[in-house]
Amino acid sequence: QKEVEQDPGPLSVPEGAIVSLNCTYSNSAFQYFMWYRQYSRKGPELLMYTYSSGNKEDGRFTAQVDKSSKYISLFIRDSQPSDSATYLCATFNTGTASKLTFGTGTRLQVTL
Amino acid sequence: NAGVTQTPKFQVLKTGQSMTLQCAQDMNHEYMSWYRQDPGMGLRLIHYSVGAGITDQGEVPNGYNVSRSTTEDFPLRLLSAAPSQTSVYFCASSPVGSANEKLFFGSGTQLSVL
Repeated sequence: QKEVEQDPGPLSVPEGAIVSLNCTYSNSAFQYFMWYRQYSRKGPELLMYTYSSGNKEDGRFTAQVDKSSKYISLFIRDSQPSDSATYLCATFNTGTASKLTFGTGTRLQVTL
Repeated sequence: NAGVTQTPKFQVLKTGQSMTLQCAQDMNHEYMSWYRQDPGMGLRLIHYSVGAGITDQGEVPNGYNVSRSTTEDFPLRLLSAAPSQTSVYFCASSPVGSANEKLFFGSGTQLSVL
């Protein structure tokens, strides 16, 4: 079993829709949670990060962590075609701070 | 500001050949790392370094060597290429003190081993 599981998609939504991307993890020691966005043929770029449980909002993006169920979510409001990319969740704990564990990524396509 | 620069962008090797993937960053980051990305496997850590002269193994280190003689450069060497090393390779860096969650990635090297 992978430490971080993510549905690969693809997920196709119309422009303006609310998108929900999700990950589950197995190690209860994980404390830091991140979302990276990766455009085709590019390197990942950090989109959001949170510590422990709760929500964090940044513009149209909201990251949510539920440690009790080991569930990580990224919500995108008013999705745009420019949001079309692969979204990777990642996590680590302070004991392995040099070693992020990534999900496999969910490919999102926002159509006009 | 160039960020993290990887060269080459594409490379084709024959089985048994050796080569070095170059990575340089101009952000004075202490932490640097190499990942490979394969379909269905996600990003997997190969080697990492927390500063000049210090390197350590990640999840999939076999068949790869690294060294860190300067803060800026972190080359990845394939000793004897194998078809299983066909992948996209990413170099990443992070400033110490960010707990390494804020990785800055290069644009990748697509490697094919025939």
